[in-house]
Amino acid sequence: GNSVTQMEGPVTLSEEAFLTINCTYTATGYPSLFWYVQYPGEGLQLLLKATKADDKGSNKGFEATYRKETTSFHLEKGSVQVSDSAVYFCALNLQTGANNLFFGTGTRLTVIP
Amino acid sequence: DAGVIQSPRHEVTEMGQEVTLRCKPISGHDYLFWYRQTMMRGLELLIYFNNNVPIDDSGMPEDRFSAKMPNASFSTLKIQPSEPRDSAVYFCASSLGLAPSNEQFFGPGTRLTVL
Repeated sequence: GNSVTQMEGPVTLSEEAFLTINCTYTATGYPSLFWYVQYPGEGLQLLLKATKADDKGSNKGFEATYRKETTSFHLEKGSVQVSDSAVYFCALNLQTGANNLFFGTGTRLTVIP
Repeated sequence: DAGVIQSPRHEVTEMGQEVTLRCKPISGHDYLFWYRQTMMRGLELLIYFNNNVPIDDSGMPEDRFSAKMPNASFSTLKIQPSEPRDSAVYFCASSLGLAPSNEQFFGPGTRLTVL
């Protein structure tokens, strides 16, 4: 089947610390991979994406590289800010013509000053 | 564009009552999705539409749940009768086109509490 596994939270970091949120996937075929972010009281919004192996998605200082050999798409940021506090969701979408996202369970990040 | 619009933002009702959640997708988007988010189960896809036609409703929990999309700019998710275990945040999302790499745009959600 198709699924996404994220590291469990919550994650608490001090400002300017390095962030890694692990994500691995299982999929039939060749998925597109996404990171969505949910700020408190809001809906999800796309943070970054990658559509094929070895692609690197990046946005707002966050990066993730599509690793087919390890079926992973880990999210990283070199220096987090308080405003990065949110829930982060890894997701995949299969390239089979159906626009259907499979989400991980989400990882809550809290950044303290 | 105003983005995906959902109403109401909060709904509190009593067990057994009918609940109707509303969604207006981004103009021009041809896919519309309904999701449910709970602490226990995370984010679940309930149903999605393409060009107003339901494509996959396998995520709808049971017959108490129904969704319609009478036109390209409006969709409803109805729960009748509601139960306390339906308490969750319900999100509507829309996207353009068939490509799996296309972004889904989410509304702010409706927080439903069933007492």
